[in-house]
Amino acid sequence: QKEVEQNSGPLSVPEGAIASLNCTYSDRGSQSFFWYRQYSGKSPELIMFIYSNGDKEDGRFTAQLNKASQYVSLLIRDSQPSDSATYLCACHGNAGNMLTFGGGTRLMVKP
Amino acid sequence: EPEVTQTPSHQVTQMGQEVILRCVPISNHLYFYWYRQILGQKVEFLVSFYNNEISEKSEIFDDQFSVERPDGSNFTLKIRSTKLEDSAMYFCASSEFARGNTIYFGEGSWLTVV
Repeated sequence: QKEVEQNSGPLSVPEGAIASLNCTYSDRGSQSFFWYRQYSGKSPELIMFIYSNGDKEDGRFTAQLNKASQYVSLLIRDSQPSDSATYLCACHGNAGNMLTFGGGTRLMVKP
Repeated sequence: EPEVTQTPSHQVTQMGQEVILRCVPISNHLYFYWYRQILGQKVEFLVSFYNNEISEKSEIFDDQFSVERPDGSNFTLKIRSTKLEDSAMYFCASSEFARGNTIYFGEGSWLTVV
């Protein structure tokens, strides 16, 4: 059974701080990894994806992937109250095209 | 920006009734999906569809569910005889290519079975 695990939170950070969100996955064959943001009652909105080990930066967001440790993380720099949401980690395995989602981490950015 | 559109946004139905949820994927996308999210739970994969046939489905997608692309633009999910436990948000999604490609989600259809 493929599993994607995330700490449910809430993770509370002050405005302007760095928020660090973590995710582990069980399927060693997973090839690509996605971070989505989901506001309450809304659909997942793609933030970024990462395929290769290392860091990938996009504006205030940095995704980090360590395939040996089966670990993905998302850093949000200069956190804003509007970043308050649930962040979903999702993985594509090495077979099929379904995404397996984690349960999400709820982030709260306090002004 | 192109987007996946879904209708209805919210539907209330009686247990045992049939429901059809509709989606218009992004126009140049070739792969279509349905996911669902029960309140407070994970987003779960139901089915993927490519070239007018199901390419993958989960254990959730049993005989009461079916998908169809009745014309060049719409993609539908039918639930034949709804149960209380089918109450969830159903997300349609699409991607240009297969595995590894970004999947874009629609706004979702809230289904409440009473």
